Amino acid sequence: EAGVTQSPTHLIKTRGQQATLRCSPISGHTSVYWYQQALGLGLQFLLWYDEGEERNRGNFPPRFSGRQFPNYSSELNVNALELEDSALYLCASSPRDKGSYNEQFFGPGTRLTVL
Amino acid sequence: KQEVTQIPAALSVPEGENLVLNCSFTDSAIYNLQWFRQDPGKGLTSLLLIQSSQREQTSGRLNASLDKSSGRSTLYIAASQPGDSATYLCAVEEGAQKLVFGQGTRLTINP
Repeated sequence: EAGVTQSPTHLIKTRGQQATLRCSPISGHTSVYWYQQALGLGLQFLLWYDEGEERNRGNFPPRFSGRQFPNYSSELNVNALELEDSALYLCASSPRDKGSYNEQFFGPGTRLTVL
Repeated sequence: KQEVTQIPAALSVPEGENLVLNCSFTDSAIYNLQWFRQDPGKGLTSLLLIQSSQREQTSGRLNASLDKSSGRSTLYIAASQPGDSATYLCAVEEGAQKLVFGQGTRLTINP
């Protein structure tokens, strides 16, 4: 069974540009999560999507946004890129059993570099 | 605000030793605790998940314990091998599927 996949592997942008990162969950999983792993800051929760809806959001500015498609894949968009947005962005997926926690399975990440 | 701390930040031990990694959290009202492994520049691999009602979980040479009341968890690795070298991350779920991570312990096993 294929795991969580992310594209691209690496992305280089300049300040002020927009970046789009993509994630495909494990087949049968309906929830997708995005995390940022910046140097020195550790892993921080960004967004949770389930069945096309944003369910929870971390402490990030509105220029971080995303969406989930009917096939449960997801995009993370970062507008007006800043140097400190350089990080490894990890996507995770889980099945969704309402009312309980479901183990999150992580993809390999997209390395975003902002110059 | 939930904070997760992992001590030590780095650990280097000779092959074959048993070792313990520590994780502490400030708010005991957690749903679950999960241990992950991360190889350099890679994503996370889930090692063990302990639900809030459980005290420990075991998988092969790994054993994780959870003491909610004291806000602590330990990951015990038996008979360490060079392939165990990685960064180990502890994360607690504080609700609404949000994981709060520690900064990790960078483990090196020397042959």
